[in-house]
Order: sequence, then C-alpha cells, then structure tokens
Amino acid sequence: DVKVTQSSRYLVKRTGEKVFLECVQDMDHENMFWYRQDPGLGLRLIYFSYDVKMKEKGDIPEGYSVSREKKERFSLILESASTNQTSMYLCASTGEGGGNQPQHFGDGTRLSIL
Amino acid sequence: RKEVEQDPGPFNVPEGATVAFNCTYSNSASQSFFWYRQDCRKEPKLLMSVYSSGNEDGRFTAQLNRASQYISLLIRDSKLSDSATYLCVVKGSNFGNEKLTFGTGTRLTIIP
Repeated sequence: DVKVTQSSRYLVKRTGEKVFLECVQDMDHENMFWYRQDPGLGLRLIYFSYDVKMKEKGDIPEGYSVSREKKERFSLILESASTNQTSMYLCASTGEGGGNQPQHFGDGTRLSIL
Repeated sequence: RKEVEQDPGPFNVPEGATVAFNCTYSNSASQSFFWYRQDCRKEPKLLMSVYSSGNEDGRFTAQLNRASQYISLLIRDSKLSDSATYLCVVKGSNFGNEKLTFGTGTRLTIIP
C-alpha cells in the first residue's frame, strides 16, 4: 500500500514565521503535489513536482515555495506566514504514466497562523 | 466559470435510497475523470475512475457525458457508511500532465 506521510497533523505558528511542511512517500512516485483545502473552495493546487529538483506552479503559488531535493520528499515552505494561510494542507503523490492512476494523499496538516 | 462545478448539497437521504450527483467541467480537452470520497477530517481517497462507456463498482455507478461535459455518480441502496463528501475530479488535458482539478465536493448524509 502507498504511504504518504506528512510531518505534522496540527501546527500553530505566528505571523511572519517561516514554516516548513514536510511530505514523504514510500512508493518511488515521480509526481508529488501540495494542496490546500478551505471550506467552500475545495482543494486548490499550490505547487507540484514531476521529478527531483523540478517544480511547477499550481493555481495559488503566491506566498509559498517548494523544495524537492530527493524523490521521496516534497517540502512546502511558507516564506513569511500570514493569517490567510491558515488552512488544511494536503500532500499527494502519483506514479508516472498518465492513465487513471489515483493520487494518494497524506493525512493532512491543519495549520493555524496566529 | 469554475473548471469543475458540483452542487455542494447537503444531500440528506434515507438509508436504502438511491442518490445521484452530477458534476460539470469546463475544459472539453480533459482526459480523465474520477470520483473521490472524503470523510470528515480525513484525506480524500479514490472512490472510482469514470470511463467513457460508464462503469459500475458494486452499488456505485459512474457515467461520463463528453458532449455535455458532465459526469455523474449514482449510489444504490445507500448505507450509513456512505455518508461523506464526494469530490468530482478532472485530470489535465496534456499527456503526462498529472495535475488534477477538484470540485468543491457534495456532502451526503445518510439518515437511519
């Protein structure tokens, strides 16, 4: 079974802090994704990566950056956290090859910025 | 217009009833379609893919209408455990592009 692990289930940080959210997958997947999920807005893609050191902007990249130094790990960075970044953050991964491969999600990190 | 639109619900349905959700998408070049299920405070999980000819998995039937750009999910003989939010998901139009676009979800509650 695919396992996607996010480093924290709950996190509380202060405005202006630099925040790191870590995600690790154990299935040697090429593609990894970071989403945020907010009531009424659904899941929105922040960034994704299709290979080590590669990254692509999603729909809402502003205020975020990412790092993919190793294939199994994809980090989301809030450069200077703001209250509007309080949200549920979900990491996902999927293998190469297109078709109907599902995305496998981590448990999510509920981040609160005070 | 949103790329993927769903009725947010909530749908409150008695146990044993049949319930159907629709979802519309705006990009006619979209290639792949899915229904995901998300339980309260949990991560989304793939329920089923949606194939052009329609497909069934037990009590669940998914259909795709490319001409009208909508997909549907039918749940027969609903169970209490079917209570969840159902997410309509559409995959990017480029080969090898694994990007998914999610609808905001339809909340379903099965009433005993």
